[in-house]
Amino acid sequence: DTAVSQTPKYLVTQMGNDKSIKCEQNLGHDTMYWYKQDSKKFLKIMFSYNNKELIINETVPNRFSPKSPDKAHLNLHINSLELGDSAVYFCASSQGGTGGYETQYFGPGTRLLVL
Amino acid sequence: AQKVTQAQTEISVVEKEDVTLDCVYETRDTTYYLFWYKQPPSGELVFLIRRNSFDEQNEISGRYSWNFQKSTSSFNFTITASQVVDSAVYFCALSRFNDYKLSFGAGTTVTVRA
Repeated sequence: DTAVSQTPKYLVTQMGNDKSIKCEQNLGHDTMYWYKQDSKKFLKIMFSYNNKELIINETVPNRFSPKSPDKAHLNLHINSLELGDSAVYFCASSQGGTGGYETQYFGPGTRLLVL
Repeated sequence: AQKVTQAQTEISVVEKEDVTLDCVYETRDTTYYLFWYKQPPSGELVFLIRRNSFDEQNEISGRYSWNFQKSTSSFNFTITASQVVDSAVYFCALSRFNDYKLSFGAGTTVTVRA
């Protein structure tokens, strides 16, 4: 009964390829997020969706495109992968509705390595 | 803009020692929320605590305790009688009242040696 799950857990690919990471939550939450953790462990938000609508879009290259087919899913598609995209990508979810008050619950992370 | 500073990059202790992790934040908001997360070597991010800006009571949960002081803009975390399983990276984070974005500190790596 995993709360927030991500697939795949590891992703090794060549520069220039296109890849997707999938996220699903079974907590009944309305809001979902993508965070990037770089090699120095620094965590930074990329996107957030509330009820399938984009509410946060940080300064992220437009090679990154999130898609939310429904409230329980938030996928991240990355075009033309670059070496600098190598990182751990975390999906998270929160109840939705009151913003900063809510606790965000994170998935296990997807480790992306671009060669 | 919000900022969270965790000045301690790494802390190494021997089992059963107490360890305190510092977190200092900056915000102009009067309503905000503070969080601590744990990232063990397995890599997942585990929620530990949430505190809102109007609640300065300290909190204790087992061997974990948190000290929130608005006067010094600090939200420090203490692990009492540390255990090897406490070895992890610990992150402090801040969010604004009506903003879904969590701003994280750089994290403190805690190593507990047997």
